[in-house]
Amino acid sequence: GDSVTQMEGPVTLSEEAFLTINCTYTATGYPSLFWYVQYPGEGLQLLLKATKADDKGSNKGFEATYRKETTSFHLEKGSVQVSDSAVYFCALRAGRSNDYKLSFGAGTTVTVRA
Amino acid sequence: EAQVTQNPRYLITVTGKKLTVTCSQNMNHEYMSWYRQDPGLGLRQIYYSMNVEVTDKGDVPEGYKVSRKEKRNFPLILESPSPNQTSLYFCASSLLSGPGDTEAFFGQGTRLTVV
Repeated sequence: GDSVTQMEGPVTLSEEAFLTINCTYTATGYPSLFWYVQYPGEGLQLLLKATKADDKGSNKGFEATYRKETTSFHLEKGSVQVSDSAVYFCALRAGRSNDYKLSFGAGTTVTVRA
Repeated sequence: EAQVTQNPRYLITVTGKKLTVTCSQNMNHEYMSWYRQDPGLGLRQIYYSMNVEVTDKGDVPEGYKVSRKEKRNFPLILESPSPNQTSLYFCASSLLSGPGDTEAFFGQGTRLTVV
């Protein structure tokens, strides 16, 4: 079945450091890929997405590129802020008709220190 | 404001006492689903619904029921809760406008503890 593997945390960084969270996936066909972010005490919200190979999703300084050849969708940000402290989830939705389930990775907790 | 509303946010209950967690969305979305979030496991889908009166099991449906009598509401029912259902629960909704790239909107979560 479909699955997502993302790098384990927790990750602790200083402000303005570079952040990378690795994500790889297993899926048949052509899934859509997502990064969701969960701030403390809140639900998940979409951070960025990519729907086909070589697409780059970007938002709030975060970027991720859909790499079909390596089945990866790594999240990067060049200079993190304290407000980026959150749990980050990589997810995929299969490209199959009538299959709208999101399959999530385990989540990576990121703490940014001032 | 577009939102998914879950209630209650926090709930402590005893084993075997039936409970319902409500979920309502104001975006006229066809697709709604319930997930549970457990440490190290991410979110796993419990049940989903493609439209009114159309529901189906997700990956971890045992011990749960759902209903979809109205488009906006999708309650999660635990008929006889057990301690292994202690978890953080999220309701989500999305449009069915395409084969994969529609955004899912999540509620704020319900932290359930079964003692």
